[in-house]
Order: sequence, then C-alpha cells, then structure tokens
Amino acid sequence: AQSVTQLGSHVSVSEGALVLLRCNYSSSVPPYLFWYVQYPNQGLQLLLKYTSAATLVKGINGFEAEFKKSETSFHLTKPSAHMSDAAEYFCAVSDGSGGQNFVFGPGTRLSVLP
Amino acid sequence: ETGVTQTPRHLVMGMTNKKSLKCEQHLGHNAMYWYKQSAKKPLELMFVYNFKEQTENNSVPSRFSPECPNSSHLFLHLHTLQPEDSALYLCASSQDELTSGRGQQFGPGTRLTVL
Repeated sequence: AQSVTQLGSHVSVSEGALVLLRCNYSSSVPPYLFWYVQYPNQGLQLLLKYTSAATLVKGINGFEAEFKKSETSFHLTKPSAHMSDAAEYFCAVSDGSGGQNFVFGPGTRLSVLP
Repeated sequence: ETGVTQTPRHLVMGMTNKKSLKCEQHLGHNAMYWYKQSAKKPLELMFVYNFKEQTENNSVPSRFSPECPNSSHLFLHLHTLQPEDSALYLCASSQDELTSGRGQQFGPGTRLTVL
C-alpha cells in the first residue's frame, strides 16, 4: 500500500523567495508521483507528475520536483514565489493499478507574504 | 476550464432533504471518481466507476448513493445526511481506472453544507 506525508501543514514565504514543499512517500513498487494545486473554491489542478522517466520533473507555473529514490522524497520547489502561488498543494502517490491505490497527502497551505 | 464540470457549485440542505450532485466530462474518459474533502483531512476516495461499472466503494455510508448512467456522467444522490457530511465533494475522471496512476482530471467541486 502507498502512503504520503507532507511535512508542514502551512508554509509561509516572502514574495521572491524560494518555495520548498516537502513530500515523502512509501510504496512497495516503483511509484508514480504527483503534485496538485488547489486554489480557493476550486478543484485540484495537476502541477506535475513523475512516471519513471527523468527524475527532475518540470511543471506548470515554474514549479519543479525531483524524485529521489534513496530518500523516498518528491519535494516541490520554485525559485521565486509569486503572490499568485498562494494555494493548497497536495502530493500524491500511485502504483498505477487503480483508484484505490492513488493516495493523497494531507496538503500544505502556502502563503506568500508581500 | 478543467474539462470536468460539477453542479451545483454550492448546496445547503437539511438533514431530511434529498439532493443530487452532478458531474460531467466530455474528455472521452471511461473512469470517474467521487472524493470527499473535509477540512484538515486528506482527500477521501468514495467511489470509482470504470466503464460505467462501480469498482470501488470505500466503506461509504448508504446515505450516499452513486449513479453512473454513462461514461460521461456521474451522480451522487444524497439523503438523510448528517452535519459531519459537510465538505467539498470533488469529481474526477481518467482515461480508465488502470491509468489513474497517471493522473486524474478534477472538477471544481460542490461545497455541501448540511444543517
């Protein structure tokens, strides 16, 4: 079974500062890994995904994430935060076998301070 | 526009009411999902339909009743709900359930409040 932990339920950064949102996973098979973003009063939008190709994955809005098997991590980063990045971010893991095995983390709320 | 639409966007209902949530996608996907998102809790998978057949029911109370008349439409029928059922209900779709591991497309959600 898969599981996901996200360190920090709330992260605050200043505008222009580095964004780092942490995600660690547990999976018995090579995982698929995802980051989703949820803006207020909206559904989830896929930011990026890792599907066993390149370990450094680039997504939309300048975000990227690096798959590190030895650390079982898939942290999300962005070099320079914008006010519009304020949202809830969810990491998810799947073994590719079906809906039951697509597991979301608890989420991290990102605040961007002016 | 996400490609997955949900109506209504907001719903307030009493515990004795009966209402339905609707989800629609015209992406050619064959798998559809209902999730519940409560404050301070991870997303909870409720139901999965693959090619109109229900493949998963995650121990959801019977006061929630899903219906999938075709691959493009998914309903969640609600009756005699409890205040703790208040949450954001998200619909998602994917090409088929086996490819859900490659990501799902989500609708905007229905914010449900049970009084």
